[in-house]
Amino acid sequence: GQNIDQPTEMTATEGAIVQINCTYQTSGFNGLFWYQQHAGEAPTFLSYNVLDGLEEKGRFSSFLSRSKGYSYLLLKELQMKDSASYLCAVIDSNYQLIWGAGTKLIIKP
Amino acid sequence: DAGITQSPRHKVTETGTPVTLRCHQTENHRYMYWYRQDPGHGLRLIHYSYGVKDTDKGEVSDGYSVSRSKTEDFLLTLESATSSQTSVYFCAISDREVETQYFGPGTRLLVL
Repeated sequence: GQNIDQPTEMTATEGAIVQINCTYQTSGFNGLFWYQQHAGEAPTFLSYNVLDGLEEKGRFSSFLSRSKGYSYLLLKELQMKDSASYLCAVIDSNYQLIWGAGTKLIIKP
Repeated sequence: DAGITQSPRHKVTETGTPVTLRCHQTENHRYMYWYRQDPGHGLRLIHYSYGVKDTDKGEVSDGYSVSRSKTEDFLLTLESATSSQTSVYFCAISDREVETQYFGPGTRLLVL
């Protein structure tokens, strides 16, 4: 079967750095997305990786290793507004998007 | 933000009644999707559309049907609502198959 694993919940301190990991086992791979979802709101797009390596976008970076079936989202200079769930999703060989259950990130002052 | 609206935003209904949720987009995107989101689960695809009158089933399609008679509208119907269909329903759109999906605000459905 297809599976995406993320930690259920993480806690970090305002101003710090946090890394949210995502491992996947899917039938094929055509790209990986990270989305942010604040409580009670819709998911919003953060990043897309299809090649190995690090993609940096402001305070957020996303890394991909296709050989290891692994990605992480790195959030720097954490702010209280970063408290949200972070969703990892993989496009499989049938071009279907397979979603992880999400990681709830709690930021403490 | 992509122009996507969903209606209603909240609905309470009784078991056995039919329910229709509407997704409307102003982006002229070809692909439209219906997902449900439940605690402890990732977003699960119910049905999707790749053009007017062109639809296909997703992972959890039982008990649901869809229709797309215009590019901008994608309807999801619960033929006879059950308590297991209590969920938050999200519509999403994308311009191409392998591309970023943009989500509507969601509909919270409670089936009593």
